[in-house]
Amino acid sequence: AQSVTQLDSQVPVFEEAPVELRCNYSSSVSVYLFWYVQYPNQGLQLLLKYLSGSTLVKGINGFEAEFNKSQTSFHLRKPSVHISDTAEYFCAVSLQGAQKLVFGQGTRLTINP
Amino acid sequence: EAQVTQNPRYLITVTGKKLTVTCSQNMNHEYMSWYRQDPGLGLRQIYYSMNVEVTDKGDVPEGYKVSRKEKRNFPLILESPSPNQTSLYFCASSFRGRTVSGANVLTFGAGSRLTVL
Repeated sequence: AQSVTQLDSQVPVFEEAPVELRCNYSSSVSVYLFWYVQYPNQGLQLLLKYLSGSTLVKGINGFEAEFNKSQTSFHLRKPSVHISDTAEYFCAVSLQGAQKLVFGQGTRLTINP
Repeated sequence: EAQVTQNPRYLITVTGKKLTVTCSQNMNHEYMSWYRQDPGLGLRQIYYSMNVEVTDKGDVPEGYKVSRKEKRNFPLILESPSPNQTSLYFCASSFRGRTVSGANVLTFGAGSRLTVL
């Protein structure tokens, strides 16, 4: 079975600073990887996904993530955050060809002015 | 607009009073699923459906029922709610099988916050 671990439950950063949200997964077979964002009082919105090919994936709102197979990681990064990035971020994994997503525990990103 | 619609968005109820949370999608998706979100636990799958009349348990199905009589609707039923079912619930849907991109991205509803007293 797959599992996902988000290493930080909360990440506070100052506006315009860079941020990295960490995600590690475990699976004995090949997987797809996702990052979702949940803004306050809203549903989940897809930020980006890794299916195959280039290990650096670019998403919406200036976010990107790098797939590292040897370290089984899929960390999310943004070079300069904005107040509007305040949200909870979820890393998720699915088996290739399957619909079920297994989520991490979530990381709450707080941007301070 | 392509969307997943859940109702009610907020509900406070009492232990043992049956309730149903509705979920409807307008994208002709075969696959639908229910998740619950709890602090520190992320989202966990309750039930899912691969198509009409085909449903199966997810990781935390106890205390819940579902049905899939029509393709667009996938209601979540709590026959006798208990306080440990207080949570934020999300319905999601997607196409089955492989797309050109190789994966089917789930579209989520806005969530239903349920409190059981």
